[in-house]
Amino acid sequence: ILNVEQSPQSLHVQEGDSTNFTCSFPSSNFYALHWYRWETAKSPEALFVMTLNGDEKKKGRISATLNTKEGYSYLYIKGSQPEDSATYLCAFWNQGAGNMLTFGGGTRLMVKP
Amino acid sequence: DAGVTQSPTHLIKTRGQQVTLRCSPKSGHDTVSWYQQALGQGPQFIFQYYEEEERQRGNFPDRFSGHQFPNYSSELNVNALLLGDSALYLCASSLMGQRSTDTQYFGPGTRLTVL
Repeated sequence: ILNVEQSPQSLHVQEGDSTNFTCSFPSSNFYALHWYRWETAKSPEALFVMTLNGDEKKKGRISATLNTKEGYSYLYIKGSQPEDSATYLCAFWNQGAGNMLTFGGGTRLMVKP
Repeated sequence: DAGVTQSPTHLIKTRGQQVTLRCSPKSGHDTVSWYQQALGQGPQFIFQYYEEEERQRGNFPDRFSGHQFPNYSSELNVNALLLGDSALYLCASSLMGQRSTDTQYFGPGTRLTVL
């Protein structure tokens, strides 16, 4: 059974704080890692697809890095705003199980104004 | 451009009953995947449909079955409902959906409660 772990499970920060959280995945047979942002009562929204070791992607104040050799990805949010409050999910492309996304449990971020 | 839509939004059933959930993919997409998200967990892959056939399947019993129609919309059927089937069921669509970099676009989900 392939494990994708996210930490922390939840995080409370103040508006303006910068924050980061982790996604850990198997370092062997790596193909791609996907990050999603999921606001309450909405649909999960794709943020990034990362494929190469050392990849760094950025979208506004959100950025992500990838280390495939050690099996982790960091998601960073600079200057958190209340509208960043959401659950952030990572998903590992699991070729071994037959081409499907295996999701972590998510990190729930709450930004207080 | 309509995104992925799912119906119904909420559903309450009793143990032993059967349920059908529906999904319309994003315009231009031909692949539909279904996920189950239990409370406190990440989405778990149930199966994927492409060209009206089940192409991939996760670790779910045969009580979970599906269908894809010629217009690419899809249904998820669950028979003999158990209390443990209570969850949010998410549908995601993509184009082809076989490449590791294919982005899946999710619907808002159907919340199923089994009493």
